[in-house]
Amino acid sequence: GAVVSQHPSRVICKSGTSVKIECRSLDFQATTMFWYRQFPKQSLMLMATSNEGSKATYEQGVEKDKFLINHASLTLSTLTVTSAHPEDSSFYICSASGGLWTEAFFGQGTRLTVV
Amino acid sequence: KQEVTQIPAALSVPEGENLVLNCSFTDSAIYNLQWFRQDPGKGLTSLLLIQSSQREQTSGRLNASLDKSSGRSTLYIAASQPGDSATYLCAVQAAGNMLTFGGGTRLMVKP
Repeated sequence: GAVVSQHPSRVICKSGTSVKIECRSLDFQATTMFWYRQFPKQSLMLMATSNEGSKATYEQGVEKDKFLINHASLTLSTLTVTSAHPEDSSFYICSASGGLWTEAFFGQGTRLTVV
Repeated sequence: KQEVTQIPAALSVPEGENLVLNCSFTDSAIYNLQWFRQDPGKGLTSLLLIQSSQREQTSGRLNASLDKSSGRSTLYIAASQPGDSATYLCAVQAAGNMLTFGGGTRLMVKP
């Protein structure tokens, strides 16, 4: 299957700083990328959907000014957690899809800890 | 390395049928197992989450079971409807929060 690389896999940052997470599709063009968040003992929840060259569509309750998503190319999307706080500590995972009804491939996930 | 397999890969049924989707995993050292639904061009929608200590979870017409020792889970959909048409994914979560997804079952419910 296709490969989606997510980096970093683990990051610890200080409260108030910003953290950028990258999601790359290595061998296919990802027209759509999805960002998810998972709190401990809870299921994965969709945060936003981004289409290449367009603004991301955020799910209800997700602050677009706090979680900046950029999908400037067909192989790269980034999620920036701005002014991170301890409550932002979570597991973030991206997935990439080449289009409707094509399989979505997932990154390995990023464990963010804000101290 | 954890491997998750879903059978069947695709399924087409008439409306009203009860159906079972299967998920198997190779490493029983998991924290939980999750079932998701994915509609075309959309992100995942979480359906059910079963903790490793639980045997099953129910939500509406959906029932998911987990047999950790044998590495199996089933998603039972009662009285299927055309609106159930989607791809269904299972995923297991293990140490380090690593998620491993199955390949999915593409379900089509015909009116």
